Order: sequence, then structure tokens, then C-alpha cells
Amino acid sequence: AQSVTQPDIHITVSEGASLELRCNYSYGATPYLFWYVQSPGQGLQLLLKYFSGDTLVQGIKGFEAEFKRSQSSFNLRKPSVHWSDAAEYFCAVGASGGYNKLIFGAGTRLAVHP
Amino acid sequence: DAGVTQSPTHLIKTRGQQVTLRCSPKSGHDTVSWYQQALGQGPQFIFQYYEEEERQRGNFPDRFSGHQFPNYSSELNVNALLLGDSALYLCASRFEDRAVNGYTFGSGTRLTVV
Repeated sequence: AQSVTQPDIHITVSEGASLELRCNYSYGATPYLFWYVQSPGQGLQLLLKYFSGDTLVQGIKGFEAEFKRSQSSFNLRKPSVHWSDAAEYFCAVGASGGYNKLIFGAGTRLAVHP
Repeated sequence: DAGVTQSPTHLIKTRGQQVTLRCSPKSGHDTVSWYQQALGQGPQFIFQYYEEEERQRGNFPDRFSGHQFPNYSSELNVNALLLGDSALYLCASRFEDRAVNGYTFGSGTRLTVV
């Protein structure tokens, strides 16, 4: 069965520091992978996605993620965090075929210290 | 260009009542999915509608039902509400022939069952 694990429930970083949010997935075939961000009381905004090709994908707001098939991981990174990046981040996997429902991880809440 | 629009934004219902939530997909999108996000958790897939048919369903009881209209808008109905149905309900849309573009999410309807 498909599943997504985000090992870190809460992460706190200082503004300007680098960030890496971890995501591990379980899926039998080549997955579609996504990172979404959710601000308090808001819906989900797509940061980036991976379907095929280059395993390093660039997204909005200066985020990037690297797909590592051997580790079943899709970690999200940002070289320098801004206070406005404080939010909840969700990793999701979708079937590469069929109807592409998304399976989400439990999320990682990011706090940014000034 | 309006994104995904959901109404109402907040709703309070009493246990045992019925509720209807509404979603207008992003312009040009024809596929609508619904997700339930309980507090502190990732979104859980409820079902997906395409061409006015439910074509995929998650692990939710029959109390959860839906509909898609010819203009692609959608409704989520929940009967016999339970306290555990309190959650943020998210609607997501996409264009079927552009599945690689992923889903656009609305800001959700916050349902509180008392």
C-alpha cells in the first residue's frame, strides 16, 4: 500500500539558516511526488512536483527537492529560510497511472526564529 | 483567474445533522477530489469525481457522498454527523488531460460538529 512518512513533526530553524524537511514514501511503481505548504487556516499551496526526468526539481519560493529512488526519499530543501516560511509542510505521493489520488504524510510544522 | 472556491468557509452543526459543502473548481479543470484534514493530520482522500461520476473512493463510510454537476462544480454531503467528522474539508481540482500539473486546492471548509 502507498504511504508517506515525514519523520519530523516539528522543526525550528533560525532565519537565514538552511532547511531540509524529510519525506520517505512507499510505492510499488514510479510515483508522482509533491510538496505542499499550508499556512494556518488556509488550504494547500503546491511548492513543487516530480514526475520524471531530472531528480532535482525546483519549486516556488526558493525551494527545491531531490528524488532518490534508492532511498525512497523526496526531501525538501531551502538554502536560506525567511520568517514567512513558517508553516506546515506536507509531502504527498500520487499514482503515476490511474486516477492519481494523493496520499499525504502527517506534515512537518516549521517554526522560524528571528 | 479564480482558483478553487469553497463555501461556506466555516460551519457549525449538531451531531446527527446533515451538511452540504460546495466547491467550484479552477477554471478549465474538470476533475474534483475531496479530502478531510483532521486537526494535526495530513489530508485524507475521500473521493474523486470526473464526468459527473464518482470514480475513486477512499476509506470513508457511506455517510459521505458527493455529486458533480455539468459545470464541474461539486458537493460533498455528510449525513448523521459525528463529533469525529469535525475537520477541514478540502476540495482539489485539476484538468484530467494535464494530470502532470497536479491538483489545485481550495482554502477549505472548517466543519465543527457539536
